[in-house]
Amino acid sequence: DVVMTQSPLSLPVTLGQPASISCWSSQSLVHSDGNIYLNWYHQRPGQSPRRLIYKVSNRDSGVPDRFSGSGSGTDFTLKISRVEAEDVGAYYCMQGTHSPGAFGQGTRLEIK
Amino acid sequence: QLQLQESGPGLVKPSETLSLTCSVSGASITSSGSFWGWVRHPPGKDLEWIGSVSYDGTTYYNPSLRSRLTITADRSRNEISLRLTSVTAADTAVYFCARDRGHYDIDQWGRGALVTVSS
Repeated sequence: DVVMTQSPLSLPVTLGQPASISCWSSQSLVHSDGNIYLNWYHQRPGQSPRRLIYKVSNRDSGVPDRFSGSGSGTDFTLKISRVEAEDVGAYYCMQGTHSPGAFGQGTRLEIK
Repeated sequence: QLQLQESGPGLVKPSETLSLTCSVSGASITSSGSFWGWVRHPPGKDLEWIGSVSYDGTTYYNPSLRSRLTITADRSRNEISLRLTSVTAADTAVYFCARDRGHYDIDQWGRGALVTVSS
């Protein structure tokens, strides 16, 4: 099975500052159809996860443009250009290229 | 607006069967190209994809759970169900119902249901 690894696991950030989360896969996530099925999710405390980014870099409707995703092959990044208070919580990457789908361990973002 | 609502017992005894139902509103589980499934989050551990059922009734299971797992769809009630047999404490988790657009592209989640396995 594909293993997804995230870094850092804990991310203290000052309001208004940028933040970056890395996600690595144990195998290339390029599917035979040419797509890369790598999503990012945000889970606030006490809530269910919410999809932010799909297929590496596509923002979901309603997601602020301060969130951006990038990457290729096995290395992926979620960036927040200016952290706001509502961004606290856990962020997860998830690969869907290989079966079964798999999540990263999660990165917990907190405000300093 | 799509809503997914999990329901079922919050406490299950070891060796017994965990059963959960997900009621879907705002979309049909028979909608072409859609998949409906389950993800769980054990305390202190990673999110884990459990399995799903497609719009045409085909099931997909995580190999690590396949021998104990059954996911079914009730088209008349627009619901999906999860049955996990021979549970242990390791099955204690928040269980989420989810819509998958294919390739494990989960775009909608239920609120989650905590299931504790304990005697």
